[in-house]
Amino acid sequence: QIQLVQSGPELKKPGESVKISCKASGYTFTNYGMYWVKQAPGQGLQYMGWINTETGKPTYADDFKGRFVFFLETSASTAYLQINNLKNEDMATYFCARRSRMGIANWGQGVMVTVSS
Amino acid sequence: DVVLTQSPATLSVTPGERISLSCRASESVDTYLHWYQQKPNESPRLLIKYASQSISGIPSRFSGSGSGTDFTLSINGVELEDLSIYYCQQGNSLPTFGAGTKLELK
Repeated sequence: QIQLVQSGPELKKPGESVKISCKASGYTFTNYGMYWVKQAPGQGLQYMGWINTETGKPTYADDFKGRFVFFLETSASTAYLQINNLKNEDMATYFCARRSRMGIANWGQGVMVTVSS
Repeated sequence: DVVLTQSPATLSVTPGERISLSCRASESVDTYLHWYQQKPNESPRLLIKYASQSISGIPSRFSGSGSGTDFTLSINGVELEDLSIYYCQQGNSLPTFGAGTKLELK
């Protein structure tokens, strides 16, 4: 079965960087892009962008241009989200999800990132 | 970007009743509109795709309708396990989500 397994929770200080992984299994990794979605505490879902898993090309939503980086380790069927220069407003749960126009049927379990000095 | 407006923000329900949730798009998304359920500390779960198409494993009391800019998610006979937050999402252009409707017990 299709699974997206994300890394564990993170506690970071403002200004630090964090790298979140999303390991895919149960399908051909390069056949489907990967979305990233942010959910701040008590808030809704916010689309961050996606990465083309065939070419490695990332596309960022406007609010996530600059400090956010999507990249791949294709040999390991793993997508990564790195957030640089962390700010308080980055405190959230981050989901990876398999890209599909037919609705997002496959989600990772989410990674909670806490930013605190 | 396409803005999705969901209403109401919160809906108080009684088990067994039929309810409808609304999602309105700022421009036409054809039928590229999907519905999700999210429970606390869980990932979203796809309920309905392409506005009205059912998803395997989802109870038949969930149904969707609409096209263009106006969409509805209906639950025919709400159950306690349905108390969650419901999001719509459009996939016609850069994906966007609505702000959600929270179902709570009356």
